[in-house]
Amino acid sequence: GQSLEQPSEVTAVEGAIVQINCTYQTSGFYGLSWYQQHDGGAPTFLSYNALDGLEETGRFSSFLSRSDSYGYLLLQELQMKDSASYFCAPGGAGSYQLTFGKGTKLSVIP
Amino acid sequence: DTGVSQDPRHKITKRGQNVTFRCDPISEHNRLYWYRQTLGQGPEFLTYFQNEAQLEKSRLLSDRFSAERPKGSFSTLEIQRTEQGDSAMYLCASSLGVAGGYNEQFFGPGTRLTVL
Repeated sequence: GQSLEQPSEVTAVEGAIVQINCTYQTSGFYGLSWYQQHDGGAPTFLSYNALDGLEETGRFSSFLSRSDSYGYLLLQELQMKDSASYFCAPGGAGSYQLTFGKGTKLSVIP
Repeated sequence: DTGVSQDPRHKITKRGQNVTFRCDPISEHNRLYWYRQTLGQGPEFLTYFQNEAQLEKSRLLSDRFSAERPKGSFSTLEIQRTEQGDSAMYLCASSLGVAGGYNEQFFGPGTRLTVL
């Protein structure tokens, strides 16, 4: 079967660094995507890891360890606009569907 | 605006009625996906098209749901005999099919369905 775990809520201070962890169990794992969704908005793509290691895109970085079925999203220099839900979404080999969990609601406070 | 568009943005219907939603993907994208999202949950995959071919359907997609992409461009999702449990945001996404590469999905704004 498939399972996906992320913390449900995280609160962090503006300017700080926050890490959102994701553990997954899925058959035929292909890679791990991260999406951001503001309240009332559509999910938007942040990052993707197919191989182990760290991918950096500006203030956001994403890490994957395939052997541990674990990944994280790192957000640096937090801004108020980063308050949103963040979803990790493993994709299976041969399939293009993404499996989203319940996501992590990040609240950035002054 | 050249992003994914969906119509209507909101739909209120009575239980038992049929509804149809439309999705226009980004023009050069050959892959199109439908997801459903309820409050506090992440999007749940419903179905996927590559061009006009429907290649995957979730077990969540009951017989009351049908999706088409007749010319490989826009897609429609129809729900027959709606039930209150169908109330959700229906999201459409599209991606460019690059063999061997990652295909970022671009989501539309969604159609919010309320079944009374």
